[in-house]
Amino acid sequence: ETGVTQSPTHLIKTRGQQVTLRCSSQSGHNTVSWYQQALGQGPQFIFQYYREEENGRGNFPPRFSGLQFPNYSSELNVNALELDDSALYLCASSLAAGGAGELFFGEGSRLTVL
Amino acid sequence: GNSVTQMEGPVTLSEEAFLTINCTYTATGYPSLFWYVQYPGEGLQLLLKATKADDKGSNKGFEATYRKETTSFHLEKGSVQVSDSAVYFCALSDISGTYKYIFGTGTRLKVLA
Repeated sequence: ETGVTQSPTHLIKTRGQQVTLRCSSQSGHNTVSWYQQALGQGPQFIFQYYREEENGRGNFPPRFSGLQFPNYSSELNVNALELDDSALYLCASSLAAGGAGELFFGEGSRLTVL
Repeated sequence: GNSVTQMEGPVTLSEEAFLTINCTYTATGYPSLFWYVQYPGEGLQLLLKATKADDKGSNKGFEATYRKETTSFHLEKGSVQVSDSAVYFCALSDISGTYKYIFGTGTRLKVLA
């Protein structure tokens, strides 16, 4: 069984640039959630995708957008990068949206914005 | 809104000591509660969960009981090992329809041999 994989693992961008982060969900999982984890903080919910539709969104501006593909893999796009976007971005897959379902996390993509 | 508060770290213990990491929550309704663990260089992993009041979650010697009356979900282990050194996150599932999980800020545990 393949776990959640994310790419790239590390990247450096400059203010104003755009970034795309990728996630392959665990085999059989149809739901993908994205979280932002700033240094020393807990993960903050960005949004969730279920069967290719956005299924819930946290308190993040529209320049954070995403996609889910028919194979349930997902992308997180961030436009007009700001210094405060520097963080670890975590992808989590699950069997169902919400409820008490376990989230399976990838190791994250660490983004540094200069 | 819903929130999770957990004790600040770092917590440093000697091997075989008793561990408690406090977690309290604020929520409308009856969310499910979780403890996730993040080992160095790895992603978050579910440690245990409880889905209703008075449920006890347990795994790998860790336990936590869902206490509705005190809105708490404290993590305990009777005898910690060096391999338990990690960051522990308390979390709840938001049942208001946004399908998000709300995490605490994490507590770093360091166990010394």
